Amino acid sequence: QKEVEQDPGPLSVPEGAIVSLNCTYSNSAFQYFMWYRQYSRKGPELLMYTYSSGNKEDGRFTAQVDKSSKYISLFIRDSQPSDSATYLCAMSGYSGNTPLVFGKGTRLSVIA
Amino acid sequence: SQTIHQWPATLVQPVGSPLSLECTVEGTSNPNLYWYRQAAGRGLQLLFYSVGIGQISSEVPQNLSASRPQDRQFILSSKKLLLSDSGFYLCAWSVNRYSGNTIYFGEGSWLTVV
Repeated sequence: QKEVEQDPGPLSVPEGAIVSLNCTYSNSAFQYFMWYRQYSRKGPELLMYTYSSGNKEDGRFTAQVDKSSKYISLFIRDSQPSDSATYLCAMSGYSGNTPLVFGKGTRLSVIA
Repeated sequence: SQTIHQWPATLVQPVGSPLSLECTVEGTSNPNLYWYRQAAGRGLQLLFYSVGIGQISSEVPQNLSASRPQDRQFILSSKKLLLSDSGFYLCAWSVNRYSGNTIYFGEGSWLTVV
């Protein structure tokens, strides 16, 4: 079993739709969870950062962590064509020097 | 604020030629530094990471090497490139502390080996 599983998509939605992106993981030591957005031919940029379980909201984006199910989600409300990108989940344990473990990314297209 | 610079942005190299990609970070000291490779459909592959000058951890055995000659400089090298070395190379940094290790990426370097 891979440490982090993420559906690669592609996912295509109409503008204005609510998008749900998900990752599952197997390592119960993971405590820090992140979402990165990567536009075509660019480096990934940090979008959301959460610690342990719960929700975090930032504008149209909500990150959700369910540690009991080892499942994390990113919701995008009122999706825009500019949200078209690849979204990667990432996570790590307590050690600040342990490299992040990344999902393979989900490619999202928002159609105007 | 912190910035990360990576160059060159694009390069086309023949098989068997050497490679040198450079990365520098500004606005922070003693960062963790990383080299990743992203091949089409394969996600991000961690190649090397460094927690200090001269300290390099290799994640994947291959014909690539990394060096950290200065605190905020990270170099990815190869003596002889293979076709399979083609891909998108990303340098990244993080704060060296117990913080969940959020990392920040550069813009990347596109390498095509022909």
